[in-house]
Amino acid sequence: EGQLLQSGGGLVQPGESLRLSCTASGFTFSSPGISWVRRAPGKGLEWVSGISGTGLMTYYADSVKGRFVISRDNSVNTVFLQLERLRVEDTAVYYCAKGLWEFDQWGQGAPVSVSS
Amino acid sequence: SSELTQDPAVSVALGQTVRITCQGDNVRNYFPSWYQQKPGQAPILVIYGKNNRPSGIPDRFSGSTSGNTASLTITGAQTDDEADYYCNSRDISGNRYSVFGTGTKVTVL
Repeated sequence: EGQLLQSGGGLVQPGESLRLSCTASGFTFSSPGISWVRRAPGKGLEWVSGISGTGLMTYYADSVKGRFVISRDNSVNTVFLQLERLRVEDTAVYYCAKGLWEFDQWGQGAPVSVSS
Repeated sequence: SSELTQDPAVSVALGQTVRITCQGDNVRNYFPSWYQQKPGQAPILVIYGKNNRPSGIPDRFSGSTSGNTASLTITGAQTDDEADYYCNSRDISGNRYSVFGTGTKVTVL
């Protein structure tokens, strides 16, 4: 069974940037899409972004479009989420997940806190 | 609308049956998946497709769909089932790929 290991996250000020990483093991990485999902404090899960297995197709929620960029490097089994122009409302635990709309594996989560 | 609506909270007596619903136009076209999330943990997939359980998920979890409403049923709820539950489906609006339901907090009494 595969595994997703996340890194990145932390505390930043509004307007700053962060990069999250999600490295996979135990499955053919270049096949499935990978998504990022977040859960803000006191709120539910929100799908944020997804990328196809080849990396040619990317998808974003309206709340992050134009500020976040998803990419992948299949040579190192890693998907990235670049978070730009961060806002207070982006504060959440960010999870990567295998799939674009059925998520059978999840990373452990990375907290992102945006505060002045 | 491409939103998925769930009841905020439900409670169930130990050993009894509880049904969690997920309402939205998306589920007319795509079977939703269901996720369980406990505090401080990542979500886990409990139901996908028409009514499929990943390996390791107890058979007391089942899924069904009728019209624009999908349901997750826990038959014989256990204390370990107390958690937040979310449905998820393809986004029919085309802007996103995927959308989660609003979530339901299940309390086992």
